[in-house]
Amino acid sequence: DTAVSQTPKYLVTQMGNDKSIKCEQNLGHDTMYWYKQDSKKFLKIMFSYNNKELIINETVPNRFSPKSPDKAHLNLHINSLELGDSAVYFCASSALQGLTEAFFGQGTRLTVV
Amino acid sequence: TQLLEQSPQFLSIQEGENLTVYCNSSSVFSSLQWYRQEPGEGPVLLVTVVTGGEVKKLKRLTFQFGDARKDSSLHITAAQPGDTGLYLCAGASGNEKLTFGTGTRLTIIP
Repeated sequence: DTAVSQTPKYLVTQMGNDKSIKCEQNLGHDTMYWYKQDSKKFLKIMFSYNNKELIINETVPNRFSPKSPDKAHLNLHINSLELGDSAVYFCASSALQGLTEAFFGQGTRLTVV
Repeated sequence: TQLLEQSPQFLSIQEGENLTVYCNSSSVFSSLQWYRQEPGEGPVLLVTVVTGGEVKKLKRLTFQFGDARKDSSLHITAAQPGDTGLYLCAGASGNEKLTFGTGTRLTIIP
């Protein structure tokens, strides 16, 4: 039983396309996140949702739009993909925002060509 | 902008040696977490330290939170190949955002 699962694991797409990454957690957590990990392995928060409400939006281009249909799901939609969007995107969840362990999914490696 | 600098960025040592990884910031954190990430996987929590000066041990790993809650260290005794991975510190701040450090890639050579 995977605690935080995200799909797809790999995504290769052309510049200008629109794509979505899905994330689901079965831990009963109230808070979910999207992180971006660049080629130097730096992990940077993009968004944080608490019980379906946006809490943190870290100056991410508005081509990135998170959607949380319920507190167990947080999807990420990306419009007009650019080469610089290539990275590994991680979904995570925690019981309490920032204070408790964050459980991460396996990541989605996005390659824009 | 809060920044957590880890040093060294890369470390490659022989099995059985000891090592220390540092995590430094000019900001104060309410708590600090250490994660290990293996290739193709997400980070997995190792420990959380909350009190200034706190020391926690996890088998051969010893974690310390600085007295001023601005820095932390991870010491590994008698390193083993299974310790290989990317080590990330992460600090929780007043708005409860988790800020990750720059990472230390550790390789233990058998």
